[in-house]
Amino acid sequence: GESVGLHLPTLSVQEGDNSIINCAYSNSASDYFIWYKQESGKGPQFIIDIRSNMDKRQGQRVTVLLNKTVKHLSLQIAATQPGDSAVYFCAETYAGNNRKLIWGLGTSLAVNP
Amino acid sequence: SQTIHQWPATLVQPVGSPLSLECTVEGTSNPNLYWYRQAAGRGLQLLFYSVGIGQISSEVPQNLSASRPQDRQFILSSKKLLLSDSGFYLCAWSVLPPLSGNTIYFGEGSWLTVV
Repeated sequence: GESVGLHLPTLSVQEGDNSIINCAYSNSASDYFIWYKQESGKGPQFIIDIRSNMDKRQGQRVTVLLNKTVKHLSLQIAATQPGDSAVYFCAETYAGNNRKLIWGLGTSLAVNP
Repeated sequence: SQTIHQWPATLVQPVGSPLSLECTVEGTSNPNLYWYRQAAGRGLQLLFYSVGIGQISSEVPQNLSASRPQDRQFILSSKKLLLSDSGFYLCAWSVLPPLSGNTIYFGEGSWLTVV
């Protein structure tokens, strides 16, 4: 079946290090991907998105990489800060399911001071 | 700028009681509106989405319902709550219709505990 899964349910990094959160998807028809950050007790916040005609997109301290060959998505956070501690979700969508977002289970990022 | 508000933030309700969660969006017209539920430690489950006033699409069979009485108002309701309805409910909006790739933006969520 279709799924968006995360390789690591938890990730612990030292403050100042770079973080990489990975996501695998199974539907080759997916053409739009989004990363969200959810802090405890709050709604998810949009971080960055990427369309399938791109393989890299950069934001402020964040970079999303898309490898369509292996159906892999990653979120890189540069110089990780304590405020980056949260659960990160990837989501995919494609035209065949009326563009509903398919959500991964989430990766918990813990930043150690 | 656009903002989304949902309330109440927390709610404790007995089994069998009714439910009404409200959500409003400001700063945009004709948004697409969504209700999601998130179980503890889990991902997001789409419950309902709406592309316009009175237009509601239901994603999962359940004892919940949604209504959109005004362009920027979305209401999640139940006539009789079940224990399994407990969870974190999130309202969200987007600019583009679901048929295009789009980003959705979430409210702060409502914690519902059914006892």
